[in-house]
Amino acid sequence: DAGVTQSPTHLIKTRGQQVTLRCSPKSGHDTVSWYQQALGQGPQFIFQYYEEEERQRGNFPDRFSGHQFPNYSSELNVNALLLGDSALYLCASLPGPNNEQFFGPGTRLTVL
Amino acid sequence: GNSVTQMEGPVTLSEEAFLTINCTYTATGYPSLFWYVQYPGEGLQLLLKATKADDKGSNKGFEATYRKETTSFHLEKGSVQVSDSAVYFCALTGFQKLVFGTGTRLLVSP
Repeated sequence: DAGVTQSPTHLIKTRGQQVTLRCSPKSGHDTVSWYQQALGQGPQFIFQYYEEEERQRGNFPDRFSGHQFPNYSSELNVNALLLGDSALYLCASLPGPNNEQFFGPGTRLTVL
Repeated sequence: GNSVTQMEGPVTLSEEAFLTINCTYTATGYPSLFWYVQYPGEGLQLLLKATKADDKGSNKGFEATYRKETTSFHLEKGSVQVSDSAVYFCALTGFQKLVFGTGTRLLVSP
């Protein structure tokens, strides 16, 4: 049984560009949460998707948006990239919104 | 709002030494508490958890007890190994999301 997978592993972008990160949840999981982990910091909650809708959002600007597909996979989109968006982006999947979260390996985004 | 405070690292120990990493929290209601571990270049792995006061979570020789009276969830291990070198995050659940501390780096030398 594959765990949570994320793609790409690494990504380099320049300021002002847009980026899309992808996440496939564990089999049987229907909920996906996204977190941003800046260097030397703990992960910060961005948002959670369940039944293809954003159910909850952390303190992130509208430049951060997402989507969940009928197969429960999810995308995180970031527009108008800033240098401060450089971070490890972690996806976590859950078998329902109020359950234990299983994390993927992350996508490391570097903004130059 | 909910928050987690961890002791700053790095914590440097020799193999077989005793480990304590302090964690305290502020929360409304009765959150579940977690310890996650992050090895270099990897994502987060759940190490242990406790869902109510006085519960003790344990895994791979690590233990932590949910202390409501002191709002603490300190991580302990009796004898660390070089392979335990990693960053450890204390976290709590609040309104379906995890709130993390800033992490404590553990370095274990042979």
